[in-house]
Amino acid sequence: NAGVTQTPKFRILKIGQSMTLQCTQDMNHNYMYWYRQDPGMGLKLIYYSVGAGITDKGEVPNGYNVSRSTTEDFPLRLELAAPSQTSVYFCASSMGLRGRITEAFFGQGTRLTVV
Amino acid sequence: GESVGLHLPTLSVQEGDNSIINCAYSNSASDYFIWYKQESGKGPQFIIDIRSNMDKRQGQRVTVLLNKTVKHLSLQIAATQPGDSAVYFCAETGPNAGNNRKLIWGLGTSLAVNP
Repeated sequence: NAGVTQTPKFRILKIGQSMTLQCTQDMNHNYMYWYRQDPGMGLKLIYYSVGAGITDKGEVPNGYNVSRSTTEDFPLRLELAAPSQTSVYFCASSMGLRGRITEAFFGQGTRLTVV
Repeated sequence: GESVGLHLPTLSVQEGDNSIINCAYSNSASDYFIWYKQESGKGPQFIIDIRSNMDKRQGQRVTVLLNKTVKHLSLQIAATQPGDSAVYFCAETGPNAGNNRKLIWGLGTSLAVNP
């Protein structure tokens, strides 16, 4: 049981480039989340999904896109990378109980630098 | 508005002492709270959670206290060890459809354990 797996672990992008951060979970969780964490700060929600085919915006969705075609995978797409998107990105999943979030499990993060 | 915040950004304790990390929240409707531990370079790790129908919950060396009257949450760590050094986050969620599927995160408290 690998839990939540994120790839890549590190990436350097040039301004204007695009990339996809991959996230997969093998716990059959319905809920999945993408967060970003800036140095010395808490986590900010970018997008989340409560099931395959369903996604919704979080606090800071601008500059990002997501899709959820399967229960397992929740990729995060960055279009036209900007220096403000330099951050550590975490993917998380949660079983959910009666339509509510429960304990969330996190991946190890992707450290992205935009230069 | 809704917010989750921490009273102390840093906390330094001696090994073997008990640690208390505090968290304030402003949304009286919030009914589920979680504490996470984040070690340097890693994703957040679940410690303990509590629902608003409880005022205390104990785990292994950790206790979470919830005071709904003053909207205050605390995490107590008994016999603090060097391995407890990390940043601790509290997070909350509310009961309403939509916001009960995502967590609102505090800024974090850095715990340093001195040998």
